[in-house]
Amino acid sequence: SQKIEQNSEALNIQEGKTATLTCNYTNYSPAYLQWYRQDPGRGPVFLLLIRENEKEKRKERLKVTFDTTLKQSLFHITASQPADSATYLCALDRSGGSYIPTFGRGTSLIVHP
Amino acid sequence: GAVVSQHPSRVICKSGTSVKIECRSLDFQATTMFWYRQFPKQSLMLMATSNEGSKATYEQGVEKDKFLINHASLTLSTLTVTSAHPEDSSFYICSARSQGTGANVLTFGAGSRLTVL
Repeated sequence: SQKIEQNSEALNIQEGKTATLTCNYTNYSPAYLQWYRQDPGRGPVFLLLIRENEKEKRKERLKVTFDTTLKQSLFHITASQPADSATYLCALDRSGGSYIPTFGRGTSLIVHP
Repeated sequence: GAVVSQHPSRVICKSGTSVKIECRSLDFQATTMFWYRQFPKQSLMLMATSNEGSKATYEQGVEKDKFLINHASLTLSTLTVTSAHPEDSSFYICSARSQGTGANVLTFGAGSRLTVL
């Protein structure tokens, strides 16, 4: 069965450091992968999309890599700030051509001042 | 940018009553909207795809008579939880496909917290 795995344990880092979050998947051949941010009690907010033929994508302090051989995406936040504290979700388009994003359960990031 | 408005943000109701949640695309037309459900510390679970002018497509295991979806216009989809029970208590979030991205990037509403007593 298709699975999207994100570390369920919270990631605690110090302000200014780089946060790295992992998304692994099995039994998928996604055309693209997305990362969203979700704050408590709120809907997710889109951050970045990377396509299968792209290795890396950047947006300001964010960087996403996509390794279709390893079936893994890494999400980096450089120079992290307490305001970056949130849950980060990865999403893949569901196999079968429907292209509806299917979400992982997310990893909570806590940036300490 | 695209904005999706969802109301109410919180609702408490008695068991057996029905609750309606509205989802509006404010500055764009959304022929398709998606309804998700989320339990604490769990992933978003797709419940159904709402199609303007036609019947919704429900995911396996989601009762269509329980969760009524109406997409009467290009900017409004509603989810009605009928005869709600405590196990229906959850966080419900709607979304619409963002414009011009060439992919299924979603813009989400703020979510509706339903508590059934």
